[in-house]
Amino acid sequence: DTEVTQTPKHLVMGMTNKKSLKCEQHMGHRAMYWYKQKAKKPPELMFVYSYEKLSINESVPSRFSPECPNSSLLNLHLHALQPEDSALYLCASSQDGAEGDSPLHFGNGTRLTVT
Amino acid sequence: AQRVTQPEKLLSVFKGAPVELKCNYSYSGSPELFWYVQYSRQRLQLLLRHISRESIKGFTADLNKGETSFHLKKPFAQEEDSAMYYCALFNNAGNMLTFGGGTRLMVKP
Repeated sequence: DTEVTQTPKHLVMGMTNKKSLKCEQHMGHRAMYWYKQKAKKPPELMFVYSYEKLSINESVPSRFSPECPNSSLLNLHLHALQPEDSALYLCASSQDGAEGDSPLHFGNGTRLTVT
Repeated sequence: AQRVTQPEKLLSVFKGAPVELKCNYSYSGSPELFWYVQYSRQRLQLLLRHISRESIKGFTADLNKGETSFHLKKPFAQEEDSAMYYCALFNNAGNMLTFGGGTRLMVKP
Protein backbone atom coordinates (compact mmCIF):
# COMPACT_ATOMS: atom_id res chain seq x y z
CA ASP A 1 0.00 0.00 0.00
CA THR A 2 1.32 3.41 -0.92
CA GLU A 3 1.87 5.90 1.86
CA VAL A 4 0.81 8.71 -0.44
CA THR A 5 -2.89 8.48 -1.19
CA GLN A 6 -4.44 10.07 -4.24
CA THR A 7 -8.15 10.42 -4.93
CA PRO A 8 -9.93 9.83 -7.15
CA LYS A 9 -8.14 7.08 -9.06
CA HIS A 10 -10.00 7.95 -12.25
CA LEU A 11 -11.73 11.14 -13.29
CA VAL A 12 -13.62 12.05 -16.44
CA MET A 13 -14.57 15.67 -16.82
CA GLY A 14 -15.90 18.00 -19.47
CA MET A 15 -14.12 21.14 -20.54
CA THR A 16 -16.51 23.33 -18.57
CA ASN A 17 -16.34 21.35 -15.35
CA LYS A 18 -14.55 22.23 -12.14
CA LYS A 19 -12.98 19.34 -10.28
CA SER A 20 -10.20 18.74 -7.76
CA LEU A 21 -7.55 16.11 -7.32
CA LYS A 22 -6.50 15.29 -3.80
CA CYS A 23 -3.31 13.97 -2.28
CA GLU A 24 -2.61 13.05 1.32
CA GLN A 25 0.41 11.85 3.27
CA HIS A 26 0.91 11.31 6.98
CA MET A 27 4.64 10.74 7.03
CA GLY A 28 5.47 14.24 8.22
CA HIS A 29 7.04 15.09 4.89
CA ARG A 30 7.66 18.77 4.29
CA ALA A 31 7.63 18.86 0.50
CA MET A 32 4.81 17.80 -1.79
CA TYR A 33 4.79 17.66 -5.57
CA TRP A 34 2.44 17.44 -8.51
CA TYR A 35 3.65 15.70 -11.66
CA LYS A 36 1.92 15.14 -14.98
CA GLN A 37 2.70 12.05 -17.00
CA LYS A 38 1.67 11.42 -20.59
CA ALA A 39 2.23 8.45 -22.83
CA LYS A 40 4.64 6.70 -20.47
CA LYS A 41 7.17 9.49 -20.72
CA PRO A 42 8.97 10.69 -17.59
CA PRO A 43 6.70 12.53 -15.20
CA GLU A 44 6.86 16.28 -15.76
CA LEU A 45 7.08 18.43 -12.68
CA MET A 46 4.21 20.91 -12.32
CA PHE A 47 4.31 22.32 -8.79
CA VAL A 48 6.29 21.93 -5.59
CA TYR A 49 5.18 22.97 -2.12
CA SER A 50 7.89 23.24 0.49
CA TYR A 51 6.84 23.81 4.09
CA GLU A 52 3.31 24.54 2.81
CA LYS A 53 4.47 27.33 0.51
CA LEU A 54 4.54 27.14 -3.26
CA SER A 55 8.20 27.03 -4.15
CA ILE A 56 8.14 25.88 -7.78
CA ASN A 57 5.60 26.52 -10.53
CA GLU A 58 6.82 25.16 -13.83
CA SER A 59 4.91 27.68 -15.92
CA VAL A 60 1.76 25.64 -15.62
CA PRO A 61 -1.39 27.17 -17.17
CA SER A 62 -3.73 28.88 -14.73
CA ARG A 63 -6.46 26.33 -15.40
CA PHE A 64 -4.45 24.21 -12.92
CA SER A 65 -4.49 25.69 -9.44
CA PRO A 66 -2.62 23.99 -6.59
CA GLU A 67 -3.49 24.35 -2.96
CA CYS A 68 -1.76 23.11 0.19
CA PRO A 69 -4.25 23.48 3.07
CA ASN A 70 -1.84 21.91 5.55
CA SER A 71 1.34 19.90 5.64
CA SER A 72 -0.46 16.62 4.95
CA LEU A 73 -2.72 17.65 2.11
CA LEU A 74 -2.18 18.80 -1.43
CA ASN A 75 -4.97 19.62 -3.87
CA LEU A 76 -4.99 20.38 -7.56
CA HIS A 77 -8.03 22.35 -8.68
CA LEU A 78 -9.00 21.96 -12.31
CA HIS A 79 -11.12 24.34 -14.36
CA ALA A 80 -11.73 24.76 -18.07
CA LEU A 81 -9.31 22.02 -19.04
CA GLN A 82 -8.55 20.97 -22.57
CA PRO A 83 -8.56 17.43 -23.99
CA GLU A 84 -4.76 17.57 -24.21
CA ASP A 85 -4.68 17.86 -20.42
CA SER A 86 -5.76 14.24 -20.23
CA ALA A 87 -2.93 12.43 -18.44
CA LEU A 88 -1.87 10.62 -15.32
CA TYR A 89 -1.38 13.09 -12.48
CA LEU A 90 1.04 11.94 -9.83
CA CYS A 91 1.51 13.30 -6.36
CA ALA A 92 4.73 12.79 -4.43
CA SER A 93 6.20 13.86 -1.14
CA SER A 94 9.65 13.99 0.40
CA GLN A 95 10.88 14.37 3.94
CA ASP A 96 13.02 17.42 3.47
CA GLY A 97 12.00 20.62 1.81
CA ALA A 98 12.22 20.90 -1.94
CA GLU A 99 15.91 21.71 -1.89
CA GLY A 100 16.83 18.51 -0.10
CA ASP A 101 17.80 15.16 -1.54
CA SER A 102 15.44 12.91 0.38
CA PRO A 103 13.65 10.22 -1.65
CA LEU A 104 10.35 10.87 -3.35
CA HIS A 105 7.34 8.85 -2.28
CA PHE A 106 4.79 8.61 -5.04
CA GLY A 107 1.07 8.06 -5.00
CA ASN A 108 -0.51 5.78 -7.59
CA GLY A 109 -1.83 8.67 -9.58
CA THR A 110 -5.17 9.95 -10.86
CA ARG A 111 -5.99 9.10 -14.45
CA LEU A 112 -7.71 12.20 -15.83
CA THR A 113 -9.69 12.22 -19.06
CA VAL A 114 -11.01 15.51 -20.39
CA THR A 115 -13.83 15.17 -22.91
CA ALA B 1 -2.82 -4.93 -6.29
CA GLN B 2 0.42 -4.00 -7.94
CA ARG B 3 3.50 -3.41 -5.87
CA VAL B 4 7.13 -2.51 -6.51
CA THR B 5 9.81 -3.23 -3.95
CA GLN B 6 13.33 -1.89 -3.89
CA PRO B 7 14.85 -3.66 -0.89
CA GLU B 8 17.91 -1.44 -0.54
CA LYS B 9 17.48 2.18 0.47
CA LEU B 10 21.22 2.80 0.11
CA LEU B 11 23.83 1.07 -1.99
CA SER B 12 27.45 2.16 -1.68
CA VAL B 13 30.14 0.89 -4.06
CA PHE B 14 33.59 1.94 -5.15
CA LYS B 15 34.27 3.38 -8.58
CA GLY B 16 34.84 0.63 -11.11
CA ALA B 17 32.92 -1.97 -9.12
CA PRO B 18 29.85 -3.69 -10.55
CA VAL B 19 26.52 -2.45 -9.31
CA GLU B 20 23.11 -4.07 -9.15
CA LEU B 21 20.04 -2.23 -7.90
CA LYS B 22 17.29 -4.64 -7.07
CA CYS B 23 13.66 -4.28 -8.04
CA ASN B 24 10.94 -6.84 -7.43
CA TYR B 25 7.34 -6.46 -8.41
CA SER B 26 4.00 -8.12 -7.92
CA TYR B 27 1.40 -7.83 -10.64
CA SER B 28 -0.99 -10.37 -12.06
CA GLY B 29 -0.81 -9.24 -15.68
CA SER B 30 2.05 -8.42 -18.02
CA PRO B 31 3.73 -5.36 -16.56
CA GLU B 32 5.66 -2.63 -18.24
CA LEU B 33 8.66 -1.69 -16.14
CA PHE B 34 10.86 1.37 -16.00
CA TRP B 35 13.87 2.72 -14.20
CA TYR B 36 13.94 6.42 -13.40
CA VAL B 37 16.91 8.36 -12.06
CA GLN B 38 17.14 11.61 -10.13
CA TYR B 39 20.55 13.20 -9.82
CA SER B 40 21.16 15.57 -6.95
CA ARG B 41 18.93 18.65 -7.23
CA GLN B 42 17.81 17.69 -10.74
CA ARG B 43 14.50 16.53 -12.11
CA LEU B 44 13.35 12.97 -12.35
CA GLN B 45 14.27 11.44 -15.71
CA LEU B 46 13.66 8.17 -17.48
CA LEU B 47 16.69 5.89 -17.54
CA LEU B 48 15.31 2.90 -19.39
CA ARG B 49 12.22 0.81 -20.05
CA HIS B 50 12.14 -2.92 -20.38
CA ILE B 51 10.35 -3.09 -23.72
CA SER B 52 13.08 -1.15 -25.49
CA ARG B 53 15.83 -3.47 -24.21
CA GLU B 54 18.38 -0.71 -24.59
CA SER B 55 21.45 0.23 -22.60
CA ILE B 56 21.63 3.77 -21.30
CA LYS B 57 24.80 5.14 -19.70
CA GLY B 58 26.02 1.55 -19.46
CA PHE B 59 22.99 0.43 -17.43
CA THR B 60 20.89 -2.56 -18.43
CA ALA B 61 17.88 -4.22 -16.87
CA ASP B 62 16.29 -7.52 -17.79
CA LEU B 63 12.75 -8.43 -16.94
CA ASN B 64 12.68 -11.83 -15.24
CA LYS B 65 9.05 -12.89 -15.09
CA GLY B 66 9.86 -16.07 -13.20
CA GLU B 67 11.48 -14.15 -10.38
CA THR B 68 9.27 -11.07 -10.90
CA SER B 69 12.36 -8.91 -10.93
CA PHE B 70 13.76 -6.05 -12.98
CA HIS B 71 17.19 -5.45 -11.51
CA LEU B 72 19.33 -2.60 -12.84
CA LYS B 73 22.95 -3.46 -13.54
CA LYS B 74 26.13 -1.77 -14.58
CA PRO B 75 29.47 -3.57 -14.84
CA PHE B 76 31.67 -0.63 -13.82
CA ALA B 77 30.18 2.11 -11.67
CA GLN B 78 31.24 5.72 -12.17
CA GLU B 79 31.11 8.53 -9.64
CA GLU B 80 28.59 10.39 -11.80
CA ASP B 81 26.20 7.46 -11.40
CA SER B 82 25.57 8.57 -7.82
CA ALA B 83 21.85 9.36 -7.68
CA MET B 84 18.44 8.13 -6.54
CA TYR B 85 17.06 5.32 -8.68
CA TYR B 86 13.38 4.43 -8.83
CA CYS B 87 11.85 1.33 -10.32
CA ALA B 88 8.28 1.76 -11.58
CA LEU B 89 5.55 -0.46 -13.02
CA PHE B 90 2.73 0.44 -15.38
CA ASN B 91 -0.32 -1.80 -15.42
CA ASN B 92 -1.75 -3.23 -18.66
CA ALA B 93 -4.31 -0.50 -19.04
CA GLY B 94 -1.61 2.12 -18.64
CA ASN B 95 -3.62 3.98 -16.07
CA MET B 96 -1.78 3.16 -12.87
CA LEU B 97 1.89 3.74 -12.23
CA THR B 98 3.50 2.36 -9.09
CA PHE B 99 6.93 3.45 -7.94
CA GLY B 100 9.29 1.60 -5.64
CA GLY B 101 10.72 3.38 -2.63
CA GLY B 102 13.94 4.25 -4.39
CA THR B 103 17.57 3.26 -3.87
CA ARG B 104 20.29 5.82 -3.33
CA LEU B 105 23.45 4.79 -5.13
CA MET B 106 26.69 6.25 -3.85
CA VAL B 107 29.80 5.61 -5.89
CA LYS B 108 32.94 6.36 -3.93
CA PRO B 109 36.23 7.32 -5.57
